Amino acid sequence: NAGVMQNPRHLVRRRGQEARLRCSPMKGHSHVYWYRQLPEEGLKFMVYLQKENIIDESGMPKERFSAEFPKEGPSILRIQQVVRGDSAAYFCASSTGTGVYGYTFGSGTRLTVV
Amino acid sequence: DAKTTQPNSMESNEEEPVHLPCNHSTISGTDYIHWYRQLPSQGPEYVIHGLTSNVNNRMASLAIAEDRKSSTLILHRATLRDAAVYYCIPWGGSNFGNEKLTFGTGTRLTIIP
Repeated sequence: NAGVMQNPRHLVRRRGQEARLRCSPMKGHSHVYWYRQLPEEGLKFMVYLQKENIIDESGMPKERFSAEFPKEGPSILRIQQVVRGDSAAYFCASSTGTGVYGYTFGSGTRLTVV
Repeated sequence: DAKTTQPNSMESNEEEPVHLPCNHSTISGTDYIHWYRQLPSQGPEYVIHGLTSNVNNRMASLAIAEDRKSSTLILHRATLRDAAVYYCIPWGGSNFGNEKLTFGTGTRLTIIP
């Protein structure tokens, strides 16, 4: 029973390139959440998705960032034209959506922009 | 979101009990109290949650004040593997229209061998 799978674990991009981060939720989970953790800072909510729908994107930067959770396949967090300030750990979590039992987090993708 | 107050850091000796406090005086009546922890270079990990009664599981115990304005996470016998940042999060869950977990700054727990 695999947990939340994120890949890649580490990603290095040059300024201006695109970064694609993938998240496969736990089996039976249809709700996905993305969080960002800047170096030496706390976890900040970015976006909440259900299959094919964005439910809450109040934490997403207005430009260059997008997320999707298609009917088939993993959730994707996409960062276009990366800048050094995008260097961070990006965590994905999933849940059943019934709420009370909380989220299961993945091990994260560490993005470094050089 | 309910505001929480936790000590920035705590230290404990290995194999001793640890009591991690959290104040959440503005918690709503329907919010559960969730605790997560984040080990170094890992994603957050669910520890325990409760509503009104004290709760126990294999990882920890949760003691909730009668007025629900504070709670204490208890690690009965700390090991080096318990060194982490611990987050207390009041959370209503999707049943109450409040989906996202909001992390504060947490308490960084250091275990002394």
